Amino acid sequence: EVQLLESGGGLVQPGGSLRLSCAASGFLFSDSAMTWVRQAPGKGLQWVSTIISSGVGTYYADSVKGRFTISRDNSKNTLYLQMNSLRAEDTAIYYCAKSYRGVLVDFDCWGQGTLVTVSS
Amino acid sequence: QSALTQPASVSGSPGQSITISCTGTSSDVGGYNYVSWYQQHPGKAPKLMISLVSNRPAGVSNRFSGSKSGNTASLTISGLQAEDEADYYCSSYTSSSTLVFGGGTKLTVL
Repeated sequence: EVQLLESGGGLVQPGGSLRLSCAASGFLFSDSAMTWVRQAPGKGLQWVSTIISSGVGTYYADSVKGRFTISRDNSKNTLYLQMNSLRAEDTAIYYCAKSYRGVLVDFDCWGQGTLVTVSS
Repeated sequence: QSALTQPASVSGSPGQSITISCTGTSSDVGGYNYVSWYQQHPGKAPKLMISLVSNRPAGVSNRFSGSKSGNTASLTISGLQAEDEADYYCSSYTSSSTLVFGGGTKLTVL
């Protein structure tokens, strides 16, 4: 069974940092592009960042570029999101998702999400 | 990148059909056949319902179908059932090598 399990969320002050993790199982992680998508409370989905299977190529939304870094450790089947200079508007549930038909096309498996709250 | 435009809400009675539209530009929806649709129930993670404009992943009911004309994609749900009540989001690849979601549509089954 394909599973994605996020962790690392919590309460952080504006300007602070947080690192999210996503542990994958049930599929060949090293063959799959992976993505982070977030959802602010009561709002819609927002694409955040994507990393290709090898980790060499990365893509970011303008709203997080320069502040967030996506990475992966294929030996540990784990995806990461390092979030720096956090702002109130980064408050959201962060989902990791497995790419389905292409790197930046769609996602057939999602984790349950981890909540990040940026507040003083 | 601006979000794709979806109606905020749609409704229908059990057994009826409804269609949700998703309007973008020639730089996203109109330029690529990389439109997807997701269903999200309250408190749950999204679920992929339609891939590549009109393809259903394994396990998705054939009551769900997708199409595209120009800069507008559509999701049609036929034979509405109570469990279809959820939020629906479209997404598209963009010419900037990013991905954009629609604002979401709340489907109410009357």
